[in-house]
Amino acid sequence: DGGITQSPKYLFRKEGQNVTLSCEQNLNHDAMYWYRQDPGQGLRLIYYSQIVNDFQKGDIAEGYSVSREKKESFPLTVTSAQKNPTAFYLCASLGGRINSPLHFGNGTRLTVT
Amino acid sequence: DQQVKQNSPSLSVQEGRISILNCDYTNSMFDYFLWYKKYPAEGPTFLISISSIKDKNEDGRFTVFLNKSAKHLSLHIVPSQPGDSAVYFCAASAFLTRSEKLTFGTGTRLTIIP
Repeated sequence: DGGITQSPKYLFRKEGQNVTLSCEQNLNHDAMYWYRQDPGQGLRLIYYSQIVNDFQKGDIAEGYSVSREKKESFPLTVTSAQKNPTAFYLCASLGGRINSPLHFGNGTRLTVT
Repeated sequence: DQQVKQNSPSLSVQEGRISILNCDYTNSMFDYFLWYKKYPAEGPTFLISISSIKDKNEDGRFTVFLNKSAKHLSLHIVPSQPGDSAVYFCAASAFLTRSEKLTFGTGTRLTIIP
C-alpha cells in the first residue's frame, strides 16, 4: 500500500541537541510538506518542497532545516535554535492531479526537556 | 493573524442527529477548501473539499456548504455516528483545486454521544 511513513512515533531529546525527523513516501508525489501541531493552534506550515533539490520556508521556519535529495524523502531537522520544539510534527505529500488532497503521515511526537 | 477560524473548540451531538461544524476565513484569495478528520496521535485524513465555483458538495453522510459572500463554510454530518468522534480541521488554499500551502483552522473536537 502506498503511504507516508514517519519515524519514530515518539522522540525524546535534551535541550540543546539537534534532532532529525524522518519522512518517507512511496506515493510518487512531487510535493512534500512539514506541519507542526500544538494544542489549540491547529497545523502550521514549517517547510515545503515542490521538487527534488528545492524547498521553501513556510510560516514558522525559524529553528528548522530540511533537505530534499530524493523524491521519496524529506527529513526535518529541529535545531537547538528552535525555542519551543516540543510538538507533534506531521509530514504530508501532494500528488499532481487536480483535486488531489494532501496526504499525511501519522506524525512524530517530539518532547524536548 | 488567524486566516482560518473555527470558533467552536468542541461540539457534542447525539448519535443519529446532525453535526454541523463551522469555519470562517478572512483571506479573499482562498478559493479551495477542505475538511480533515483527525484521531489522537494520528495524521489527519481527508474528508471532503469544495472549490469556490460551487456552493455545495456532498459525499455520503458528509456535505460541505460554502458561502463566499460571508466567507463561511460548514460541514454537515448526517446521521452522526460514534466513529465520527474526532477533531475536525477546516483548511483553505489559494490555488483553485490544489491543496498547495494549506492554511488550517484550530480544529473542533466533535463528540458523538451514544
